[in-house]
Amino acid sequence: AQKITQTQPGMFVQEKEAVTLDCTYDTSDQSYGLFWYKQPSSGEMIFLIYQGSYDEQNATEGRYSLNFQKARKSANLVISASQLGDSAMYFCAMRGVHYGNNRLAFGKGNQVVVIP
Amino acid sequence: EAGVTQFPSHSVIEKGQTVTLRCDPISGHDNLYWYRRVMGKEIKFLLHFVKESKQDESGMPNNRFLAERTGGTYSTLKVQPAELEDSGVYFCASSLSAGSPLHFGNGTRLTVT
Repeated sequence: AQKITQTQPGMFVQEKEAVTLDCTYDTSDQSYGLFWYKQPSSGEMIFLIYQGSYDEQNATEGRYSLNFQKARKSANLVISASQLGDSAMYFCAMRGVHYGNNRLAFGKGNQVVVIP
Repeated sequence: EAGVTQFPSHSVIEKGQTVTLRCDPISGHDNLYWYRRVMGKEIKFLLHFVKESKQDESGMPNNRFLAERTGGTYSTLKVQPAELEDSGVYFCASSLSAGSPLHFGNGTRLTVT
């Protein structure tokens, strides 16, 4: 079974600082994809960034970057220059071959609060 | 383009009643998914449609849950009869193709009392 682990407690981050959200995963698949989603208080799930297991470079998307360490099975999300609007719940998710290519396995999420 | 929309945003029903949740995917997205988050637990997969066909329904908890996608456009998820443990947030998502990222709706918060 595929498993995503997000164990950090709720985090307070100073505006304009960077924050790193930890995500580790467990899978026996050779080919898989890793995703990060943001859930603000409004409830919607917003897709942020994707990393394929065979991608040689870390994914980046604006202020979001993914620190992918395949050997350690970690896919940490880095948010640079935090903004007040970044306050939200952040979910790490994975999709792999054995779990079904179209099924995402989610972690429990990290709560981030950005303070001015 | 309009995102994934879900209706209602909130629903409070009594145990034993029936509730139907609706999801309108992004136009042109053949893949439609239902997920659920029960309080304090991970978001869990329920099922996956490709157009009007159920591709994978292995995540459906029991036969009190029925999902349909007639015509391959919007989808409904019916819970009948609802139980207390069905309370949670039900998310719908759609994707253009099997490998592309899922786009989620705002979810429906279901409370069974």
